[in-house]
Amino acid sequence: DTGVSQNPRHKITKRGQNVTFRCDPISEHNRLYWYRQTLGQGPEFLTYFQNEAQLEKSRLLSDRFSAERPKGSFSTLEIQRTEQGDSAMYLCASSLSAGTGGQSNQPQHFGDGTRLSIL
Amino acid sequence: SQKIEQNSEALNIQEGKTATLTCNYTNYSPAYLQWYRQDPGRGPVFLLLIRENEKEKRKERLKVTFDTTLKQSLFHITASQPADSATYLCALVGSDMRFGAGTRLTVKP
Repeated sequence: DTGVSQNPRHKITKRGQNVTFRCDPISEHNRLYWYRQTLGQGPEFLTYFQNEAQLEKSRLLSDRFSAERPKGSFSTLEIQRTEQGDSAMYLCASSLSAGTGGQSNQPQHFGDGTRLSIL
Repeated sequence: SQKIEQNSEALNIQEGKTATLTCNYTNYSPAYLQWYRQDPGRGPVFLLLIRENEKEKRKERLKVTFDTTLKQSLFHITASQPADSATYLCALVGSDMRFGAGTRLTVKP
């Protein structure tokens, strides 16, 4: 299967711990997105990469959150000093884009997410 | 502030009927609008995209309309089946990409 893969699927941790999630996009996709989704809500944009460059971050993104895509392939999202409010599903998506910035109209292909629970 | 509203959290219909889901937005000028399907515990799956200069788009039993004057998109599923039961999300693509909260559709046999 060549879809978007996210690991782990579930993560339970104590408040104050650091967590890291991984996303492997569809190999030919140059764009990679991270979203957060809570129960009963739609995905909320966090950040996106075009190749290895991080082009946009949400104003809502705390400085405890950092994302990387070092070789323009897989990406990691780290949350430091986790808080109760960080409990959510973290979704990764990838797409193709011909442009060098701005939003793309191309469909996004989502992984099945990492569900984070903070105790 | 920018707002996206999808009609009612839940919609229940009988198998064979047409489901109509609504996406309204304010203070936003999307160039495109996309619809996704999401099953419990899974990521969203892309269904259809419609551009601001298109009035209607169809794909098999799905139809999307986009009215930039009313700031509204309608998503129709004709001849609905129990397998169509899922949450349907609209996403507006403009200067950024924003999702609505979704409408949970249940099709009863």
